[in-house]
Amino acid sequence: EPEVTQTPSHQVTQMGQEVILRCVPISNHLYFYWYRQILGQKVEFLVSFYNNEISEKSEIFDDQFSVERPDGSNFTLKIRSTKLEDSAMYFCASSARQANEKLFFGSGTQLSVL
Amino acid sequence: ILNVEQSPQSLHVQEGDSTNFTCSFPSSNFYALHWYRWETAKSPEALFVMTLNGDEKKKGRISATLNTKEGYSYLYIKGSQPEDSATYLCALRWGNTGKLIFGQGTTLQVKP
Repeated sequence: EPEVTQTPSHQVTQMGQEVILRCVPISNHLYFYWYRQILGQKVEFLVSFYNNEISEKSEIFDDQFSVERPDGSNFTLKIRSTKLEDSAMYFCASSARQANEKLFFGSGTQLSVL
Repeated sequence: ILNVEQSPQSLHVQEGDSTNFTCSFPSSNFYALHWYRWETAKSPEALFVMTLNGDEKKKGRISATLNTKEGYSYLYIKGSQPEDSATYLCALRWGNTGKLIFGQGTTLQVKP
């Protein structure tokens, strides 16, 4: 069965450094998402992406965050200057259509900001 | 503030027991309700997407019901097995937007 892949599985970085989290969504999917879960908290929405542009973003997704689909297969999340509170498990997801479609999630990247 | 609540937070049952848990959500502007199963170190996996009041869906020993008027969904597992041990997440798609709002999850542990 097709799956969403994420790399790396773990990322440790120093506060203030830039990180790029990478995802390869399922190939015929059109909608892409990033979610995160801070330890002990709910999974929370960051951003959705469709037709090469952001379709919706949460309050968390400030100017320090950006997303890109550079080559038609990869979908990346960049955090320009990481903060301690960015430490979380970051999930990429994709869906074939938006309406009433289940999301396919990757297995996540655990980001630790020291 | 839109809030999705799940109960109980955790559940320990014996193999063979049937169990159920609840997802509560605001009933206004409902669009869809998702259930995901998340095993440790794996990806969350979709179980059901439910849209209609009174919807009932089934996948093997797992089934779910939906009441959009009162704002709740139940997930049932019949004859729990150790491999059912996971965190079960519900998520609300609210309004005409693609984002999901998740509950905190119910962690199920099935003892052999």
